[in-house]
Amino acid sequence: GQNIDQPTEMTATEGAIVQINCTYQTSGFNGLFWYQQHAAEAPTFLSYNVLDGLEEKGRFSSFLSRSKGYSYLLLKELQMKDSASYLCAVSSRDSNYQLIWGAGTKLIIKP
Amino acid sequence: EAGVAQSPRYKIIEKRQSVAFWCNPISGHATLYWYQQILGQGPKLLIQFQNNGVVDDSQLPKDRFSAERLKGVDSTLKIQPAKLEDSAVYLCASSLDPSGASGANVLTFGAGSRLTVL
Repeated sequence: GQNIDQPTEMTATEGAIVQINCTYQTSGFNGLFWYQQHAAEAPTFLSYNVLDGLEEKGRFSSFLSRSKGYSYLLLKELQMKDSASYLCAVSSRDSNYQLIWGAGTKLIIKP
Repeated sequence: EAGVAQSPRYKIIEKRQSVAFWCNPISGHATLYWYQQILGQGPKLLIQFQNNGVVDDSQLPKDRFSAERLKGVDSTLKIQPAKLEDSAVYLCASSLDPSGASGANVLTFGAGSRLTVL
């Protein structure tokens, strides 16, 4: 079957660094997405990885290892506005390129 | 560019009543999705349209839910009759190319329609 796991909740301090992990099991892997979702708002696109390695975009970076079925989202210089849920989603050719979504990791930033 | 428009933003109904949600995707986006998101969970795909054809509706409870995308643009999702467990946010999203052949298939979501069934 297809499955995505990520921690339910994490807490970090303003100004620090946090790494949110995502592990997946899927056939026909066609890319992994990270979305940010603030409370009562729609998810917004953060990053996309289809090849192994690190993609950096400002304070946010995303890493992928296809052989391990593993990704992480790295947030640096945390700000209070980074408090949100972070959703990992995998695209699969075997599922008509639909996204399989994780339940999301709620990140709480403390001053 | 204009985003994905959804209405209404909030709706409160009693069980067994009906409700309809409307979505207008980003212009030029061929693919439209309806998701159901229950608090604390990831989005669950209800139905996916490619232009005005249905690509996947395997998780749509067809005894009570229906959706259409006339003319391949706007879409409407209807629930009739509603149950308590239908209380959720209904998210509409659109994208250019689900295969990702032209790059990452980034979904753009609307603000969502929050349904409360009493």
